Amino acid sequence: QSVLTQPPSVSGAPGQRVTISCTGGSSNIGAGFDVHWYQQLPGTAPKLLIYVNNNRPSGVPDRFSASKSGTSASLAIGGLQAEDEADYYCQSYDSSLSGSVFGGGTKLTVL
Amino acid sequence: EVQLVESGGGLVQPGGSLRLSCAASGFTFSSYWMSWVRQAPGKGLEWVANIKQDGSAKYYVESLKGRFTISRDNAKKSLYLQINSLRAEDTAVYYCATNYNYYMDVWGRGTTVTVSS
Repeated sequence: QSVLTQPPSVSGAPGQRVTISCTGGSSNIGAGFDVHWYQQLPGTAPKLLIYVNNNRPSGVPDRFSASKSGTSASLAIGGLQAEDEADYYCQSYDSSLSGSVFGGGTKLTVL
Repeated sequence: EVQLVESGGGLVQPGGSLRLSCAASGFTFSSYWMSWVRQAPGKGLEWVANIKQDGSAKYYVESLKGRFTISRDNAKKSLYLQINSLRAEDTAVYYCATNYNYYMDVWGRGTTVTVSS
């Protein structure tokens, strides 16, 4: 089981908005450590999507946004497009484990 | 172009060893922490280890300590992962990635390790 908990799957129709939650604990997100998000398209390597809670690397559309509160974080994807169909992972640092931790991943299906 | 290219994966018998390599180009390798992340077939991402710019600090996921060793050669702009006593559960794609403020901003395409008799 992953230290960070994500829903296994979410879905939405093109144009809709979906959110993916990431729930941690007092030694990671709740301790103030930043949350980062990655997108993994089918058959490819992960790609940094959001860093330090709500910052987008160059080239990432502003349809992608994220937030963090307490022991949880969430990723929002607005104006869903077929190309957004992918696996999404949250990641943070855990002080009790002295290392990075990932969520189990969420598969986004665009209906 | 910033690039990371992993190599060294393959089919290995249980109990065997492998040394994975990651060649960096297009950026100042010696300025970055580096990480290895793995992904078992059909599973999620698992952080494996990371190493400081000068190699003076190394951290591992607890469950892999003792069998996995991360190292780097800044002169060769290369990152390594030595894996000993390989088990079936080590079967995965292994990615190297640059580490900046605890996030991984550049990833390689990965190298596949298959442990099977």
